[in-house]
Formats: sequence, C-alpha cells, structure tokens
Amino acid sequence: DTGVSQNPRHKITKRGQNVTFRCDPISEHNRLYWYRQTLGQGPEFLTYFQNEAQLEKSRLLSDRFSAERPKGSFSTLEIQRTEQGDSAMYLCASSLLFTGSYNEQFFGPGTRLTVL
Amino acid sequence: LAKTTQPISMDSYEGQEVNITCSHNNIATNDYITWYQQFPSQGPRFIIQGYKTKVTNEVASLFIPADRKSSTLSLPRVSLSDTAVYYCLVAYDNYGQNFVFGPGTRLSVLP
Repeated sequence: DTGVSQNPRHKITKRGQNVTFRCDPISEHNRLYWYRQTLGQGPEFLTYFQNEAQLEKSRLLSDRFSAERPKGSFSTLEIQRTEQGDSAMYLCASSLLFTGSYNEQFFGPGTRLTVL
Repeated sequence: LAKTTQPISMDSYEGQEVNITCSHNNIATNDYITWYQQFPSQGPRFIIQGYKTKVTNEVASLFIPADRKSSTLSLPRVSLSDTAVYYCLVAYDNYGQNFVFGPGTRLSVLP
C-alpha cells in the first residue's frame, strides 16, 4: 500500500498527558498537512509543511500543539498536556507541488484521540 | 470574514443526478476548488478539482461560475454506495494556505 499511513490509529490518554502521532506521506509528495476533525464537522486545518519547512500554522492552534517533519519525510504531531477538548480525529494528508492540481491532497485514515 | 457554506444534508434516490453547491466568498484568486467524499471512520477522498467553468471526470462534474463565489458538484446517477459526506475545500489567501473545508453535506441515497 503506497498511500498515506498514520500511527497509531487509536489513542486513549488521560488529561494532562502528552501524546505523539506519526504520519508517513506518499513517498514523492513534498507537502504534508495536519487537520483535526470532530464529530459532525469538516476537517479543520492545523498546519502544513513543504519539505521540512513548516510554512503555515493555524492561528487557532494552541501552543500545546507542535509538529515536525525532519528531513522532509514523515511527520509527527505532538500534543502536550492534553485536554478533553483535544479529543478528535487527527488527519494527515500529503500532496505534490508543481503539478496542475497541487491542492489534490491524499488523506490518511486518521488517528482517533480520546482524552479521558 | 471568510466563510464556506453547504447544505447540511440531502436525500436522493438511486439513479438520480445530485447537485451539491458550496458557497465561498473571497477565495484566493489563484487557487483551485476541490471536492472530497468521506465515509465514516475514513479520511476524505478526492473527487474532483477545478479553477473555473466546468470540469468533468469519470465520477463527477464540477461547475464554477465566473465570479468563483460558489461551486456545484454534480454526481450523475447516484447509487447506494454514494451515501457519504461531501466537502468542498478552498483556500482563502493566494499562497494556497489556510485551507478551509466546508461544513459538509450528508448525502443519503435511498433505494
């Protein structure tokens, strides 16, 4: 399978704990995006990378959230001191810039976070 | 203030054509409009993308008026397996950043 993969698929944690999610994009894709989706809502943009550079971070994103993409390959999203309001599906997507459809983002299956 | 709106839900019968409209004022002048399909517990899946006028692929058509303040996804002859949530995705600045999904339209296809 050469699609976007995310790990873990499910994570249950207690309030106040730190969690880290991983995303492996499609290998030749240079853009990587993180979104958050709560039940009944559309995905909410969090941040995106072009290669290893983090180009945009949502103003709505708390300082407890941080993302990295070392070497422009996989990415990690860390949430520190989790709160119950962080419970959501965290989606990763990747795309290839310099095609005619650079906004064609390919999504992974998501990581469902539950904060107790 | 950037705002994207879609009908919350739609019902249709198998074999009918379904049109879903997304309203998106003041989107980036150089960015595409993209539509996605999402099934429960899965990530969104790309359906179609366009910049203006009409685009057609093997599964859908996309109509975009000249002012680009809205777009309409057209699904010909829907089947039960098309029951899903449909989202439009646009960008609100010219750097292709700040990607904004619409609230989604839940399509129910009935036999």
